Amino acid sequence: GENVEQHPSTLSVQEGDSAVIKCTYSDSASNYFPWYKQELGKGPQLIIDIRSNVGEKKDQRIAVTLNKTAKHFSLHITETQPEDSAVYFCAASLAQKVTFGIGTKLQVIP
Amino acid sequence: GAVVSQHPSWVICKSGTSVKIECRSLDFQATTMFWYRQFPKQSLMLMATSNEGSKATYEQGVEKDKFLINHASLTLSTLTVTSAHPEDSSFYICSAPWNGGANEQFFGPGTRLTVL
Repeated sequence: GENVEQHPSTLSVQEGDSAVIKCTYSDSASNYFPWYKQELGKGPQLIIDIRSNVGEKKDQRIAVTLNKTAKHFSLHITETQPEDSAVYFCAASLAQKVTFGIGTKLQVIP
Repeated sequence: GAVVSQHPSWVICKSGTSVKIECRSLDFQATTMFWYRQFPKQSLMLMATSNEGSKATYEQGVEKDKFLINHASLTLSTLTVTSAHPEDSSFYICSAPWNGGANEQFFGPGTRLTVL
């Protein structure tokens, strides 16, 4: 089955700096790569996604890149704000079945 | 985006009792829903796939007789934890794919189960 590795597990950045989270996946058939933000005691919330036929996608301060050949994808958050502090999960999906990475706890220091 | 709700948001029960958790898609129909379990500071682990009108599909290592799933309608799936034990204490989350968005899935807010 699919295996998703994510790093770093924790990340602290100063407010206004950028944060980058990287993931790799094992199943080349996976074709959808969502990123979720999870706040304490809540369910995951989709923040951005990318499909396998696209290399990069941006939504305001958030961008995601995908390298299908290397089976790498990354999340970039620019101009970080304290409210960005949360746990972020990458995931790889095929036919609606989602495999999550281990999660990255992002702390934005004011 | 589409909305998925769960009820209850938290529940405390005694060891040996059964607990039912509901997952509803509020503004769309879902022939398939997914149930995940998340232990503290860990990732979400898929437990089972709930299929409307047919049996659920369980992931390896998940006891189907302990975690009963019923997909009663196109908007409701239930997970019943039978004969709960303290090790079943966890955060249970459901998700439903939104057909308008290919693979896109929406997650419920989760249910915190504590078994005493």
